[in-house]
Amino acid sequence: GNSVTQMEGPVTLSEEAFLTINCTYTATGYPSLFWYVQYPGEGLQLLLKATKADDKGSNKGFEATYRKETTSFHLEKGSVQVSDSAVYFCALSPVSGGYNKLIFGAGTRLAVHP
Amino acid sequence: DVKVTQSSRYLVKRTGEKVFLECVQDMDHENMFWYRQDPGLGLRLIYFSYDVKMKEKGDIPEGYSVSREKKERFSLILESASTNQTSMYLCASSSGSGSDSYEQYFGPGTRLTVT
Repeated sequence: GNSVTQMEGPVTLSEEAFLTINCTYTATGYPSLFWYVQYPGEGLQLLLKATKADDKGSNKGFEATYRKETTSFHLEKGSVQVSDSAVYFCALSPVSGGYNKLIFGAGTRLAVHP
Repeated sequence: DVKVTQSSRYLVKRTGEKVFLECVQDMDHENMFWYRQDPGLGLRLIYFSYDVKMKEKGDIPEGYSVSREKKERFSLILESASTNQTSMYLCASSSGSGSDSYEQYFGPGTRLTVT
């Protein structure tokens, strides 16, 4: 079946450090892939997306590349800020199943310290 | 901007009570979803609706029901609340067509405690 696996958190970094949050998936065909972010006390919001192999999604300094050969969609940022502290969710939209359902990973909490 | 609102941010109910969680979206979206969020488990889909009066079970529908009488409103009902339903509940919506139809917009969540 379809599933998403993320690295366990929490991830604790100092400001301006490099960030990588690993995400791998299991799915048939070519699903669409997403990163959502949840800031404290808020709902989730879409951070970036990629809809086909080798696509790179980017937003707010974050990037992720759709790697079909390794079934991965790792999130990266070159220099994190305190304001990036949040929970990050990797998700996929299956090729079949209809109605644009999403399957989420468990989430990775990021804490950035000054 | 798309706005998804949920009726309560925090709710405390007693075991056995009937609980209604309301969700309203203002973007004329066809699809609406109810998730629960638990630490270490991510988001799990309870129910979704792709049209008025239409609903489909998600991955964990047991103990829940839903109602969608109007396009903009999607209600989650706990018929007889139990302590294992203590959780964060998130509502989301998405359009039914177009290249961005898979993007879901989320409400702020309702943290439900059942005692």
